[in-house]
Amino acid sequence: QSALTQSASVSGSPGQSITISCTGTFSDVDYNYVSWYQQHPGEAPKLIIYDVYHRPSRVSHRFSGSRSGNTASLTISGLQAEDEADYYCVSHTSRGTPPYVFGTGTKVTVL
Amino acid sequence: QVQLVQSGAEVKTPGASVKVSCNASGYIFSGHFIHWVRQAPGQGLEWMGWISPGSGGTNYAQKFQGRVTMNTDTSTPTAYMELSNLRFEDTAVYFCTRMTVTYAFDVWGQGSMVTVS
Repeated sequence: QSALTQSASVSGSPGQSITISCTGTFSDVDYNYVSWYQQHPGEAPKLIIYDVYHRPSRVSHRFSGSRSGNTASLTISGLQAEDEADYYCVSHTSRGTPPYVFGTGTKVTVL
Repeated sequence: QVQLVQSGAEVKTPGASVKVSCNASGYIFSGHFIHWVRQAPGQGLEWMGWISPGSGGTNYAQKFQGRVTMNTDTSTPTAYMELSNLRFEDTAVYFCTRMTVTYAFDVWGQGSMVTVS
């Protein structure tokens, strides 16, 4: 059972900004090591945010991460059609097993 | 170019075993843990375990203890994940992925579809 809860779906019109939340349900989640992944249908996940805020160089500046308490968030600014995908948060935990917990996933729809 | 290339699709009967390979290139294989993650049709991502190519050490999710074996061949360099006593609910796409020093998964294989029927 996943320990990171995400909203099931979020939608927005092109050009708008949307935010996806990721909330932990136990105290062992290490919120310093939250990462976010984008997955298009039939493809492998792609890293878009790591260590809560940091963005790989090849990833658009329209993606940004933040954190408040036990909730991490991913914001997509200037929404584009290509942003329509599933998004997952992942966090390292301080427990030995499992050392990772995945979010439940959020379907982003561009209207 | 850093990449992970996985083996092709497999169809297995219940009770059988499957072994998925993940060939690494473009980086020092022993320098990064390899994790295995699976995704059942229409479902989310599920962590299965990791292996350290440098030491051979492993850590498996409790759910798969006793059924999963991960190993590597540093000469090729390739990581392997074998799942035994397959059940219908093991039907999924299996991904290998490379872990960074800050616990993110920065490179992914293309996925290997395993169908149990």
